[in-house]
Amino acid sequence: GAVVSQHPSRVICKSGTSVKIECRSLDFQATTMFWYRQFPKQSLMLMATSNEGSKATYEQGVEKDKFLINHASLTLSTLTVTSAHPEDSSFYICSARKGGAYEKLFFGSGTQLSVL
Amino acid sequence: ELKVEQNPLFLSMQEGKNYTIYCNYSTTSDRLYWYRQDPGKSLESLFVLLSNGAVKQEGRLMASLDTKARLSTLHITAAVHDLSATYFCAVDEDKIIFGKGTRLHILP
Repeated sequence: GAVVSQHPSRVICKSGTSVKIECRSLDFQATTMFWYRQFPKQSLMLMATSNEGSKATYEQGVEKDKFLINHASLTLSTLTVTSAHPEDSSFYICSARKGGAYEKLFFGSGTQLSVL
Repeated sequence: ELKVEQNPLFLSMQEGKNYTIYCNYSTTSDRLYWYRQDPGKSLESLFVLLSNGAVKQEGRLMASLDTKARLSTLHITAAVHDLSATYFCAVDEDKIIFGKGTRLHILP
């Protein structure tokens, strides 16, 4: 089956630094990628939808200047948490869709971000 | 705004019992997914339901979709401890919105 690689799996950083998370589709071209965050024992909250070659569409309440998303190619999307603060500590998960709307969604393994 | 409501949110049950998790949603979407998540892990795809009346089964789990009622169910038959996890339904309307999840704890 299709594989989505996400890394790093875990990152600890100091408050004020920026962290970049990569999401790669290894054996297919992902026309659309989604970024989610998940707090402990809660559901996945959609942050943004990313289409290759265009600007990401952010959900209401998600700061686009804080969470920079770049989808430069059909196999790579990145999420950069800028000037991270402790409240940004969370589990971030990317997902990629192989093709059109009825195509299956594949998830990365997630990134646990801890901001000290 | 698309809303996805899942219940129960927490379920503790004995091994060998049957139970059903419900997922109600607010749109006319005919694309619904079920996922499993173990603690500290990402999501594992269980079922993809793409039409009204779709029913899929894998082992002790069976999922169905009724788009007219805007309802999907995940039925667990003769539960075993290994099925303990959090189960999410998600509705696809070009963006994927998740229910709050059902934390399933199966007692040996």
